[in-house]
Parts: sequence; structure tokens; C-alpha cells
Amino acid sequence: DAGVTQSPTHLIKTRGQQVTLRCSPISGHKSVSWYQQVLGQGPQFIFQYYEKEERGRGNFPDRFSARQFPNYSSELNVNALLLGDSALYLCASSLRVDEQFFGPGTRLTVL
Amino acid sequence: DQQVKQNSPSLSVQEGRISILNCDYTNSMFDYFLWYKKYPAEGPTFLISISSIKDKNEDGRFTVFLNKSAKHLSLHIVPSQPGDSAVYFCAASPGNQFYFGTGTSLTVIP
Repeated sequence: DAGVTQSPTHLIKTRGQQVTLRCSPISGHKSVSWYQQVLGQGPQFIFQYYEKEERGRGNFPDRFSARQFPNYSSELNVNALLLGDSALYLCASSLRVDEQFFGPGTRLTVL
Repeated sequence: DQQVKQNSPSLSVQEGRISILNCDYTNSMFDYFLWYKKYPAEGPTFLISISSIKDKNEDGRFTVFLNKSAKHLSLHIVPSQPGDSAVYFCAASPGNQFYFGTGTSLTVIP
């Protein structure tokens, strides 16, 4: 079975631009969560979606938004990029509350 | 405010010996605890979980212990193998989002 997939793998943007990251969950998983991981830190929670509804939001500015589609795939959008948004963005899907399976991540570099 | 802490940034262990990775948390509402292993340039790989109603969970070479009164959990790897060398993260959840520690880099020396 395919695991969580994310695209693109790497992305380079300049300050002020907008970016869209994509995630496809494991088949049958209805919950998708997004995390940001900067070097030397653990993943930080951004959003959780379940059945296309936002179920949780972390401490991130309104420049960050997300949505989930009827097929349970998800997009994370970040507007007005800052240098500090450079990070590994991870998507995780789950079937139960006691598990999360991560994708390989998208490495975003903001110049 | 770091709700999940891994106070040892790194750990080195001889192959065949036991590796013990520690994690402390502050939120008594956490119900679920997970351990992940992460290689560079990859997403975290789920290892083992435990719920707050248990104090121990085993899966092969991996055992997680939970001490709720001390708000402490640990991951034991026995025997340690060179392929276990990676960064290990603990994560805790009250039921929705997961809070992660900063990770412990484990090196297993052949």
C-alpha cells in the first residue's frame, strides 16, 4: 500500500511569494495534519483536517491556510513568504487518534 | 512553551546493548504518546505508541514505558543495532494535535 505522499519534494521561493504544498493520505485515512519542522527542532503542529473540516490549528499566523478535498487529499498554502518560513513541511494522515503516519515532507527554501 | 521535552540531544550505545531514550511532558491531559524515528531528508517513521491507560507496550525490540505520576516516558531498544542510528522523537497528544520533543540523536557503534 502506498504511504503518505507529498509534492513537490523541494521548492525554492523568494520573500513575498505564495506557495502551495500538496499531500495525499494513506488510502482510507480521513484525517490529515500539517507540521512545520525547522532544523534542530521537532515538528510543530499547523493544522488538522478531518472529513474536510478544520479540527485544529496551531500557533501560526493567518498567512498559513489549508483545505481538504473530497478525496481527503490536502493543500497547505502560505502567503507572503518570509525567510523564517524556510523549513521541512510534513503531512501526516491517520485513521485513529493514537497514530499519525508521516509523508517524506516538502523542503521549502525562502530566499 | 515546550510541553514535551527530550533533554538529551544525543546518545551513543554499543551494538547489542540497550538504548534508553527519555521524554518528559508537562500536560496531564495528554492521552496518547508516540515514538518516531527519523533519518535525514525523510519524514518521521512511526515506531510504537502507548495510551495513558497503560504503563508498558512492547513491539519486538522496542518497549515504551509510561510513568504518569512523573510525567515521563522512555523508549528501550534491545538489542541496539547500527541501523537504529537516527534521530528519535517522542510526541504526545490530548486527542487531536501532537506535540513533539526536540529529538535525541542515537548512534549505535558497531
